[in-house]
Amino acid sequence: GAGVSQTPSNKVTEKGKYVELRCDPISGHTALYWYRQSLGQGPEFLIYFQGTGAADDSGLPNDRFFAVRPEGSVSTLKIQRTERGDSAVYLCASSLGRGRKETQYFGPGTRLLVL
Amino acid sequence: AQKITQTQPGMFVQEKEAVTLDCTYDTSDPSYGLFWYKQPSSGEMIFLIYQGSYDQQNATEGRYSLNFQKARKSANLVISASQLGDSAMYFCAMREASKKTSYDKVIFGPGTSLSVIP
Repeated sequence: GAGVSQTPSNKVTEKGKYVELRCDPISGHTALYWYRQSLGQGPEFLIYFQGTGAADDSGLPNDRFFAVRPEGSVSTLKIQRTERGDSAVYLCASSLGRGRKETQYFGPGTRLLVL
Repeated sequence: AQKITQTQPGMFVQEKEAVTLDCTYDTSDPSYGLFWYKQPSSGEMIFLIYQGSYDQQNATEGRYSLNFQKARKSANLVISASQLGDSAMYFCAMREASKKTSYDKVIFGPGTSLSVIP
């Protein structure tokens, strides 16, 4: 079946601009996660959705970052007034549920470059 | 404080040999899950193996096995019969209860870069 998809695969923007990154999870997966991965580092947790609601947004670095999942499927990560330090790969993952054993399946990521 | 430690930034292994990638973790929760992921140069994170904190036996998945030592808080990944396609970054991760909900937050280590030599 189809895996997690993310669009765009690459995004180049200028400092101060607004960007939206989209994630389409595996069908039937209720849990959705956003991570940010900087070069040479492991993924850093940003936000977790269970259904439509953000169950844990403690990883969002500041109020320029916001994410939605209005219908409990596709999610959009929104970054306002982008800064050069926002440049990273943004990974989305989904899992069937929220249990301890639930495996997260990752998308290919969106590579964001802020000039 | 670092919750997941991977002390080997880079590792080399001869093709067909076995290799162990180290992972130690820190948690005060009795219930947690441990995962290993592979990230090739293409960038996608590929799930390899899972170990639950209450599992009595070490997890195995094909050529991958997890050497789980709970008292030492270590969960080392063993890859047997290395192949050239195993060259990638490997991340150890732990799933534990977050402040708001249960079992929802997954924390990743810094990764180990594995290079398989022909």
